[in-house]
Amino acid sequence: DTAVSQTPKYLVTQMGNDKSIKCEQNLGHDTMYWYKQDSKKFLKIMFSYNNKELIINETVPNRFSPKSPDKAHLNLHINSLELGDSAVYFCASSPQRSSYNEQFFGPGTRLTVL
Amino acid sequence: DQQVKQNSPSLSVQEGRISILNCDYTNSMFDYFLWYKKYPAEGPTFLISISSIKDKNEDGRFTVFLNKSAKHLSLHIVPSQPGDSAVYFCAASVQGNKLVFGAGTILRVKS
Repeated sequence: DTAVSQTPKYLVTQMGNDKSIKCEQNLGHDTMYWYKQDSKKFLKIMFSYNNKELIINETVPNRFSPKSPDKAHLNLHINSLELGDSAVYFCASSPQRSSYNEQFFGPGTRLTVL
Repeated sequence: DQQVKQNSPSLSVQEGRISILNCDYTNSMFDYFLWYKKYPAEGPTFLISISSIKDKNEDGRFTVFLNKSAKHLSLHIVPSQPGDSAVYFCAASVQGNKLVFGAGTILRVKS
């Protein structure tokens, strides 16, 4: 039974399109995250939500909009996709907002923008 | 400006020997350090952590050493097993805030 799941696993799309990536966790955690792993392989935090409240919002273009309908879901919507958005996006969750807590990651979504 | 650096992109080790993965950081405010392990097509999984008030933490075959004066930590795996072949990420945080990750080191354990 998958703890943190993401859909889709692969996403190939044209520049200018709008797309969404969905994330769900069944661990009962309060905090969820979106990370981006770019071509240089660094994992960088984009957003974090705690009980549906936005708590971390890094310097991310406002074309990226996270949405948390409930604390088990954190979706990522991307408008007007650009070539530089091509990356692997990981969703994660943790029991509480502090990074002293272990984070549990989903399998990643590989986004390719053509 | 990368605050967490893993300068070795890859490491190859013989089964049964020790694997040493290194990580350097620049932010002296980091007070918590973690290692995550990642297999292909999977997300990272937590491996081991250490608080800045300690200089060593051990969990089975895995030991993390922290040298605050050198701003350096290392992960030792003894003995290395083929199943340890993965990408290892070093991460750090300040007072429980966001995790800052390095670029990872690919470990290959040869049998």
